[in-house]
Amino acid sequence: QQQVKQSPQSLIVQKGGIPIINCAYENTAFDYFPWYQQFPGKGPALLIAIRPDVSEKKEGRFTISFNKSAKQFSLHIMDSQPGDSATYFCAASMNTGFQKLVFGTGTRLLVSP
Amino acid sequence: ETGVTQSPTHLIKTRGQQVTLRCSSQSGHNTVSWYQQALGQGPQFIFQYYREEENGRGNFPPRFSGLQFPNYSSELNVNALELDDSALYLCASSLSSGRVNRELFFGEGSRLTVL
Repeated sequence: QQQVKQSPQSLIVQKGGIPIINCAYENTAFDYFPWYQQFPGKGPALLIAIRPDVSEKKEGRFTISFNKSAKQFSLHIMDSQPGDSATYFCAASMNTGFQKLVFGTGTRLLVSP
Repeated sequence: ETGVTQSPTHLIKTRGQQVTLRCSSQSGHNTVSWYQQALGQGPQFIFQYYREEENGRGNFPPRFSGLQFPNYSSELNVNALELDDSALYLCASSLSSGRVNRELFFGEGSRLTVL
């Protein structure tokens, strides 16, 4: 119940394409869903986050779609660029006295020129 | 404003040894969390410190311990190192313990190799 399942494991798109990464969860107590981007040798960097009271959130070229009834959420990267090539992690947390993020297993994205 | 800084960046230990990793939180952040990231995996929550007290812990044995200092910096200590402890150890800081502001900011990590 504490897991967040992420797919696909890896993804290759051409420049300008729209990669989509999907995540699913079971625990309905989760109420915060961030996405992190990680480059090799670096720590994860927060990209965008959503709470379950909205179905979509956009920040620049990044969009989160959220389906509360299906317990699924996804990241879309518009007009993808080679510089977007990185590993992307979805995560989830619940409203407790401490901040524990449960991460997905990651998606390695390659954007070809 | 300085970000989260960790030291050392890389280190090699042998099985059975002890290691201490250090973290300085982002300016203004009073909460520090530690995560373990094995190769090819997502980070796993170890514990969180708020106001110098551990206030949350993941599924890690007691040989993983920590401290938070009055300036909000933190240490992660691992005793009796095992081969499976080889991983990237990430420190993350946040503005609060987690009820209101959920944003976590990660450092670049300390890469531990246990031989």
